[in-house]
Amino acid sequence: GQNIDQPTEMTATEGAIVQINCTYQTSGFNGLFWYQQHAGEAPTFLSYNVLDGLEEKGRFSSFLSRSKGYSYLLLKELQMKDSASYLCAVSDGDYKLSFGAGTTVTVRA
Amino acid sequence: IAGITQAPTSQILAAGRRMTLRCTQDMRHNAMYWYRQDLGLGLRLIHYSNTAGTTGKGEVPDGYSVSRANTDDFPLTLASAVPSQTSVYFCATGEMNSGANVLTFGAGSRLTVL
Repeated sequence: GQNIDQPTEMTATEGAIVQINCTYQTSGFNGLFWYQQHAGEAPTFLSYNVLDGLEEKGRFSSFLSRSKGYSYLLLKELQMKDSASYLCAVSDGDYKLSFGAGTTVTVRA
Repeated sequence: IAGITQAPTSQILAAGRRMTLRCTQDMRHNAMYWYRQDLGLGLRLIHYSNTAGTTGKGEVPDGYSVSRANTDDFPLTLASAVPSQTSVYFCATGEMNSGANVLTFGAGSRLTVL
C-alpha cells in the first residue's frame, strides 16, 4: 500500500512563492503526480515526475527524490486563482494512483 | 464535447436503498476508476477497470460493485446504502502518456445517505 503525507493547510500572499511538501512510502513506484482541485470541482492534472529532479511548467515546478520518498510542488508568483487544494499522488506498480489528503492553499491579497 | 459524464450530480438516498452512479466517457481511454472523497481523507480508490471486461478492487471496495461491459461505461452500484457511504464520488479515466497514467476526472456525484 501507499502512505502519503502532506501538510493540511498553507497560507501565502499574492505574488509570493509557496512550497508544498509530500513524503511517501510505496510498495511499487511508477511516478508521482500533483493535481489541483478548486472547491466544489474535480481534480485536474498539474505535473508528473518519474525521475529524480525538477520539472518546470510555467509558474509551477515539481521536484522528486525517489531515494528519500520526497516531492515538492513549488508555486511561484502566486495569484488569487491559485487558492485551491493540491493533491500529491503516487502511481503504484499497477499504475493505480493513491492520493494524499491534500493541502489547502489560501492566497491573500 | 469530449470528456466524462457522471450522473446524478447530487442525490439524497434513504439507508437500505440501492443506488447506481453512472459514468460514461467518450475519450476511448482503456482504464477507468471510481474514487470517493471525504474531508480529511482525500481521494480513496473504490474499484477500477484496466480494460473492458475486467475489474479490480481498490482500497475501499466493501459495499460497492462495478461492471465494465464496454469501453465507455463504468457504473458504480451501492447494493444497500449506509450513512457512511455519504461522500462525493469521482469517476476517472486513465490514459498512458509518456509512461504516465494521467487521470481525467468527471465532475463528481454528491451522495447523501440518511
